[in-house]
Amino acid sequence: QQQVKQSPQSLIVQKGGIPIINCAYENTAFDYFPWYQQFPGKGPALLIAIRPDVSEKKEGRFTISFNKSAKQFSLHIMDSQPGDSATYFCAAFGGAAGNKLTFGGGTRVLVKP
Amino acid sequence: GAGVSQSPSNKVTEKGKDVELRCDPISGHTALYWYRQSLGQGLEFLIYFQGNSAPDKSGLPSDRFSAERTGGSVSTLTIQRTQQEDSAVYLCASSLSLAVEQYFGPGTRLTVT
Repeated sequence: QQQVKQSPQSLIVQKGGIPIINCAYENTAFDYFPWYQQFPGKGPALLIAIRPDVSEKKEGRFTISFNKSAKQFSLHIMDSQPGDSATYFCAAFGGAAGNKLTFGGGTRVLVKP
Repeated sequence: GAGVSQSPSNKVTEKGKDVELRCDPISGHTALYWYRQSLGQGLEFLIYFQGNSAPDKSGLPSDRFSAERTGGSVSTLTIQRTQQEDSAVYLCASSLSLAVEQYFGPGTRLTVT
C-alpha cells in the first residue's frame, strides 16, 4: 500500500522556471517530511525537511509548502538551473507509522538551459 | 567527515548464489537503515537497527533476506539464493537518532543473471 503519492512523474522546465512537485500522504501519524535529491548513480541526498507544525520552509532556492489539513506538501525550486536536473523524492517518517522513511515514487526533473 | 560508505559498489551474481552487501555508517550514528531501489521505482524500506534494540525487519520481502549489525556499527545485508527480481540498488542510511535526518550511502547495484 503506497502511503505517499507523488506527482508528476516527470517535469521539464526552462532555466529560471519553477518546478513544483506535489506529495500527498494518508497516515496522520507522520511527523517529519523530508525531500531528497538523487543524481544518477548516487544515493539520495537530503535537501530540505519540514514538520507539520510549520506551513512553509525555505532553504536557498528550495521551498516546502505544507498543508496539514489536506495532508499534502510540495517542493518548489526557485530560479531553477540545469544543475538541478535530478530525481526528487518526497518522504514521510515517524509516529505510529514506524521509524522508517516512506517514500513517494519520485519525480524526474529536467531543467533545460 | 566521512559519509556512509557501502561495498561493493556493483555486484553481479548468478541466480541461486548468496550475496553479502556491506554498510559503514557515519561514525556515531546509532540508527542504520537498509532500503531497496528497483529500476525506475521509488525506495522501499527493508530493515533498520537502533542501538541494541531488536531490529525492525518488517520490510524484508522474504526469508531469503537477513541483516546484522556488529558492534553497533557496520552492517551486512545478506541475500540467500538470489533471484532475478532481487536485482536493484541497495541503499544504506544512518542517522543520529530515529527522529532526525537520514544520510544515504551511494548504494550497491546488484544484478542477478
